[in-house]
Amino acid sequence: AQSVSQHNHHVILSEAASLELGCNYSYGGTVNLFWYVQYPGQHLQLLLKYFSGDPLVKGIKGFEAEFIKSKFSFNLRKPSVQWSDTAEYFCAVNMNNFNKFYFGSGTKLNVKP
Amino acid sequence: DGGITQSPKYLFRKEGQNVTLSCEQNLNHDAMYWYRQDPGQGLRLIYYSQIVNDFQKGDIAEGYSVSREKKESFPLTVTSAQKNPTAFYLCASSTLTGGAYEQYFGPGTRLTVT
Repeated sequence: AQSVSQHNHHVILSEAASLELGCNYSYGGTVNLFWYVQYPGQHLQLLLKYFSGDPLVKGIKGFEAEFIKSKFSFNLRKPSVQWSDTAEYFCAVNMNNFNKFYFGSGTKLNVKP
Repeated sequence: DGGITQSPKYLFRKEGQNVTLSCEQNLNHDAMYWYRQDPGQGLRLIYYSQIVNDFQKGDIAEGYSVSREKKESFPLTVTSAQKNPTAFYLCASSTLTGGAYEQYFGPGTRLTVT
């Protein structure tokens, strides 16, 4: 069965630290990849997405992610986090462009001011 | 203002009662979804519907039922057969954007069953 793994369940960083959240999926075909963010008490919102082309994608609020096909990974990065980045982050995969999405278990990020 | 609305935000029910969660979208999206979010488990798909009058079971459909009589609406019924109904329920819809599907989410309904 297809799956999406986020190995970091809870990450605590100080402001200005660099962030990298891991996401791996198990599917050998065509994938579309997404990172969503859920701020406390708010909707799940799209942070960035990869459909095709340049494997390094930039999203909102200074986030970026790199698709490495050989590693089945789509890790999320931010060079310098802020307290306002405190949220839960979800990786999601859509396979073969079928209209169904698989989500990772989420990573809670706590940024200390 | 386009979007997905879910009501109510908080819902309380007694064990043994069925309860229906509302989801409406005015984005003109064909596909709609119901997910359940539990701490540490991410989003798990309950049901999804690609078009009106059609829907498929997701990974955790047992104890739930849906209908899709209108494009805009995809209500979820949590039946008394669902063993652990207390959870945060998210509705989503999707559309083709740049040749691939992209999902949009509602604000969620937190259901507590005691």
